[in-house]
Amino acid sequence: DGGITQSPKYLFRKEGQNVTLSCEQNLNHDAMYWYRQDPGQGLRLIYYSQIVNDFQKGDIAEGYSVSREKKESFPLTVTSAQKNPTAFYLCASSRVASQRETQYFGPGTRLLVL
Amino acid sequence: AQSVSQHNHHVILSEAASLELGCNYSYGGTVNLFWYVQYPGQHLQLLLKYFSGDPLVKGIKGFEAEFIKSKFSFNLRKPSVQWSDTAEYFCAVQIKAAGNKLTFGGGTRVLVKP
Repeated sequence: DGGITQSPKYLFRKEGQNVTLSCEQNLNHDAMYWYRQDPGQGLRLIYYSQIVNDFQKGDIAEGYSVSREKKESFPLTVTSAQKNPTAFYLCASSRVASQRETQYFGPGTRLLVL
Repeated sequence: AQSVSQHNHHVILSEAASLELGCNYSYGGTVNLFWYVQYPGQHLQLLLKYFSGDPLVKGIKGFEAEFIKSKFSFNLRKPSVQWSDTAEYFCAVQIKAAGNKLTFGGGTRVLVKP
């Protein structure tokens, strides 16, 4: 059963702690993406990776970090530097990072920082 | 930077009513356009997409969208909605000059009353 998995579904952390969100895909896609979804603001791109061992900042990368050591995995770390980390985080992938490629989304992780 | 506007944040209508959701973008060059839908508790999924050719695009579940280049618009329509169309709808634009990243609108929450 191919797809994108994100875990956990809900995550609670104390302010000042780093937290890592998991994203795994078994679609054999080269490109992977992280978005943040806030009410009324749609999805905003945090980081994306076109290929293993390579990634680029998106529109709101400050306070976040990523790694892409394996094709199927693209974990996102929300650091203590992120001023407003409470949000819904969506991971996506596409066959390649080029035009006309559909992005497929995971179920998301809702992060609540107390 | 390019932007995407969805003018209606919330829409409430009854079953069998017609639906039209507006989407406008700010970019004068070639774009790829997408509509995604997020049903309650489900993954974000692709409804339809436009790359080139016939500006009237048909998608899944009876949805269609019309690309009007002169108006920078890509409005989504469905002639007769069902209760199961209750969801949040997102318009997205992909621009080659912006690294093929997707830029999303703020989303429109649609509630269909049975």
